[in-house]
Amino acid sequence: QKEVEQNSGPLSVPEGAIASLNCTYSDRGSQSFFWYRQYSGKSPELIMSIYSNGDKEDGRFTAQLNKASQYVSLLIRDSQPSDSATYLCAVKGYGGATNKLIFGTGTLLAVQP
Amino acid sequence: GAGVSQSPRYKVTKRGQDVALRCDPISGHVSLYWYRQALGQGPEFLTYFNYEAQQDKSGLPNDRFSAERPEGSISTLTIQRTEQRDSAMYRCASSDSYEQYFGPGTRLTVT
Repeated sequence: QKEVEQNSGPLSVPEGAIASLNCTYSDRGSQSFFWYRQYSGKSPELIMSIYSNGDKEDGRFTAQLNKASQYVSLLIRDSQPSDSATYLCAVKGYGGATNKLIFGTGTLLAVQP
Repeated sequence: GAGVSQSPRYKVTKRGQDVALRCDPISGHVSLYWYRQALGQGPEFLTYFNYEAQQDKSGLPNDRFSAERPEGSISTLTIQRTEQRDSAMYRCASSDSYEQYFGPGTRLTVT
């Protein structure tokens, strides 16, 4: 079982719709969760972080975390063609000396005009 | 302010040569991370530093890979006796807390 799993997509949504991106993780002790957006040929850009169960909203983005189900999601409201990118879920483990992030393979989002 | 910078942005080297990749973190960031990203994959952890101390090098693939951050700022990732399988995008990230910010990466091609 991979440590962080995402559906590779592509996830295709029409402009103006809600895009829902999902991620599951295997380490029950994980404490910190991040969503990065990566445009083709560019570096990952941090868009959301979440540390507590529940929802966290930032503009058109909402991150949702359910530690009991080991599930984290990202909702993008009013999707725009400029949102078309690969979205990477990253998880930071618990304990020890390391702060490394473990990434999923990413979900490719395509927003259709 | 200035973000994370990396140099060179592209490096082509012949198999067997040594290469050194440089990372200059965001000013004041204590932690610096090295990742490697293959096409179609998420970044894969290599090593990280707090200040000048290497805290975790569990992701370095073998002893041809090493990293240093002697003054707690700029870091160098060195790959000795490069092999074709080392070809990848090498990414550096820095952090002052939990959130990590990535640089533009160095595309390494070993011929």
